[in-house]
Amino acid sequence: EVQLLESGGGLVQPGGSLRLSCAASGFDFSTYAMSWVRQAPGKGLEYVSSISGSGGTTDYADSVRGRFIISRDNSKDTLFLQMNSLRDEDTATYFCAKYSGWAALDYWGQGALVTVSS
Amino acid sequence: AIQLTQSPSSLSASVGDRVTITCRASQGISTALAWYQQKSGKPPKLLIYVASSLQSGVPSRFSGSGSGTDFTLTISSLQPEDLATYYCQQFNSYPWTFGQGTKVDIK
Repeated sequence: EVQLLESGGGLVQPGGSLRLSCAASGFDFSTYAMSWVRQAPGKGLEYVSSISGSGGTTDYADSVRGRFIISRDNSKDTLFLQMNSLRDEDTATYFCAKYSGWAALDYWGQGALVTVSS
Repeated sequence: AIQLTQSPSSLSASVGDRVTITCRASQGISTALAWYQQKSGKPPKLLIYVASSLQSGVPSRFSGSGSGTDFTLTISSLQPEDLATYYCQQFNSYPWTFGQGTKVDIK
């Protein structure tokens, strides 16, 4: 059974940093690209970032490029999102998701809440 | 970035009704499109991939169609458990953008 479990969320002040983790199990982690998607309270889904299975290719939304860094440790089946220079508008639930290989994110974690506030 | 525009933004329908949601891309994306269902307080659930393929375990009343710039999600006979917000997402090119969502209510 595929499982994705996010951790590392919490309250942080504007300008601060936070690192999210996503522990994966139930599939060959290194074979699949992974993504982060966020959802601000009461709002829609927003794509944040993706990384290839090897980690050699990454992508970011314009809203986070230069501030967030996606990475993965395939030896530990774990995905990361390093979030720097956090802003109020980064407040959201952050989901990690597995790319199916066929134009879809087929498994999602339960999400980690990040609140940026002074 | 490719923009996805969903319509309507919300709808209300009766149990048993046929419901159609559209997703229009700002440029052609072939069939690189997925549809998700999100219920309140839960993560999104994959319904349809590559525009028209039904994800395993998803009821057959859900179907997807389209290619290029225009796509449709259809619920053939709306059920009470279909109360949710539905999103499309494109995978033709980075960033993998989402539509703004369509909220489906039951009358």
